Amino acid sequence: GNSVTQMEGPVTLSEEAFLTINCTYTATGYPSLFWYVQYPGEGLQLLLKATKADDKGSNKGFEATYRKETTSFHLEKGSVQVSDSAVYFCALSDLGSYKLIFGSGTRLLVRP
Amino acid sequence: NAGVTQTPKFQVLKTGQSMTLQCAQDMNHEYMSWYRQDPGMGLRLIHYSVGAGITDQGEVPNGYNVSRSTTEDFPLRLLSAAPSQTSVYFCASSGKIPGQANSPLHFGNGTRLTVT
Repeated sequence: GNSVTQMEGPVTLSEEAFLTINCTYTATGYPSLFWYVQYPGEGLQLLLKATKADDKGSNKGFEATYRKETTSFHLEKGSVQVSDSAVYFCALSDLGSYKLIFGSGTRLLVRP
Repeated sequence: NAGVTQTPKFQVLKTGQSMTLQCAQDMNHEYMSWYRQDPGMGLRLIHYSVGAGITDQGEVPNGYNVSRSTTEDFPLRLLSAAPSQTSVYFCASSGKIPGQANSPLHFGNGTRLTVT
């Protein structure tokens, strides 16, 4: 079945460092891919999305490119801030599916 | 703008007790769902609904019941709580099928449930 694999956390960085959180997927067909972010004490919020191969999703300085050849959707940010500290979830859904499949989440801690 | 509202925020139950987790949304979304979040396992879908009167099982439905009598509300019932149901529960809604790019899931802030 479909699945999403994320890198283990926590990831600890200093402010202004470069961020990469790896995400790979297994799916039949052509899934849409998403990154969600969960701040402490809150629910998940959509961060960015991509619907087809080579699409780049971007928001708030974060980017991720849909790579079908490597089945990956890695999240990147050039310069992280303390306020980016959160848990990040990669997710996928086949077109027309009634559900999203989430990865296990990666906790990011950014130190001043 | 309330969005998705879950109550209660925290709950402690004894094994065998029953309770209902409430979820309401004010966005007129047709699709609603319940997920549980456990450490190292991400979010797993419990039940979902594509409209009033229609519900279906997700990947971990055992021990939970749902109903959808109105578009706004989608309560989750635990009939006989077990320690394995200790988790954080999230309700989420969407205007259309959640996999469509222009219809992301909107999440509530969660209910932290402990079963002793």
